Amino acid sequence: DAMVIQNPRYQVTQFGKPVTLSCSQTLNHNVMYWYQQKSSQAPKLLFHYYDKDFNNEADTPDNFQSRRPNTSFCFLDIRSPGLGDAAMYLCATSRDQAGGPDTQYFGPGTRLTVL
Amino acid sequence: GESVGLHLPTLSVQEGDNSIINCAYSNSASDYFIWYKQESGKGPQFIIDIRSNMDKRQGQRVTVLLNKTVKHLSLQIAATQPGDSAVYFCAENLRTALIFGKGTTLSVSS
Repeated sequence: DAMVIQNPRYQVTQFGKPVTLSCSQTLNHNVMYWYQQKSSQAPKLLFHYYDKDFNNEADTPDNFQSRRPNTSFCFLDIRSPGLGDAAMYLCATSRDQAGGPDTQYFGPGTRLTVL
Repeated sequence: GESVGLHLPTLSVQEGDNSIINCAYSNSASDYFIWYKQESGKGPQFIIDIRSNMDKRQGQRVTVLLNKTVKHLSLQIAATQPGDSAVYFCAENLRTALIFGKGTTLSVSS
């Protein structure tokens, strides 16, 4: 089945130790998104890629970076995780943003714990 | 069935009741709206969507109503089942961003 896959599902890192979260998709969608969701809150958009074009949200901290080496994969890099970065990180895809609003499909998420 | 006029963080219903979850969105320029269901420890799952040129859309056991005049969105679930227990989020599409509203936790008891 076509889907959005996130690895790992659970990630534990130490304060200040860089960590990378992975997302892949078999939907062949042009747009990939990264969201942060803290406990009992709504998902918050960090940034997205429209094809190779990177779009950062204004309030996303510099500590968060992203890479999209090809259509299928997108990575979230947290350069120096702090305790406040502990959250669920959600990857989503949509077919084509340029053609108008489109449904976003979410992966299962990676739960990040910072010790 | 049980309904809420304004957004409430939780809604408890009995199995078989109809549920209505409400959402107020913020921007009159939003042109597309989606309801997502999120179960504990999982990513949001698409339920139903509606574009701004419509005021009602029906799916299987679910109906979304859009009132652009008051910027209000509702999700109706018919014959609610225990498997419907989850957090429900509305989301509005504004330009390139999907903005999520506050979630409502639906609890269904047998």
